[in-house]
Amino acid sequence: GDSVTQMEGPVTLSEEAFLTINCTYTATGYPSLFWYVQYPGEGLQLLLKATKADDKGSNKGFEATYRKETTSFHLEKGSVQVSDSAVYFCALNGNNRLAFGKGNQVVVIP
Amino acid sequence: SAVISQKPSRDICQRGTSLTIQCQVDSQVTMMFWYRQQPGQSLTLIATANQGSEATYESGFVIDKFPISRPNLTFSTLTVSNMSPEDSSIYLCSVLKNTGELFFGEGSRLTVL
Repeated sequence: GDSVTQMEGPVTLSEEAFLTINCTYTATGYPSLFWYVQYPGEGLQLLLKATKADDKGSNKGFEATYRKETTSFHLEKGSVQVSDSAVYFCALNGNNRLAFGKGNQVVVIP
Repeated sequence: SAVISQKPSRDICQRGTSLTIQCQVDSQVTMMFWYRQQPGQSLTLIATANQGSEATYESGFVIDKFPISRPNLTFSTLTVSNMSPEDSSIYLCSVLKNTGELFFGEGSRLTVL
């Protein structure tokens, strides 16, 4: 079945550093791809999405590009803030079946 | 987007009791789901809540343990039955919009003693 793989382990970085969280997927057909963010003590919020190859999703300074050739959807932000500390989940929707990655805890230190 | 309200937002329960979580959506949606998020883990799909018929459960989840109701297109309930400490989790209601986006409620944080 469809699946999403995120890089292992938490990510700790300093304020204003560059953030990358890797995400690759396996799917039949052409899924839509998403990044969700979960702030401490809250539910999941949709951060950005891309529905077809080469689409770039962006929101709040975060970006991710749908790369069909590498089956990837890496999340990037050029300058993180303490308020970006959260758990980030990569997800795909293939025929209304959603698959989530394991999530990455991001901790931004002042 | 979708506004999804879950109640209760958190609860502490005794072993062997049952708790029903309610999910109310601000618009009619076809597809509603219930997820579980155990501490520090990703999301696991429990079931799809079907309007007017029995829910569709994922492998490892059964109706006797997690009965689900979906009386209309804006409301669903999930009951966690005969709870044990292993059921301590966040339970999340979610809806799938026509855009293919999945929206989540704030979650119900359940602690079983």
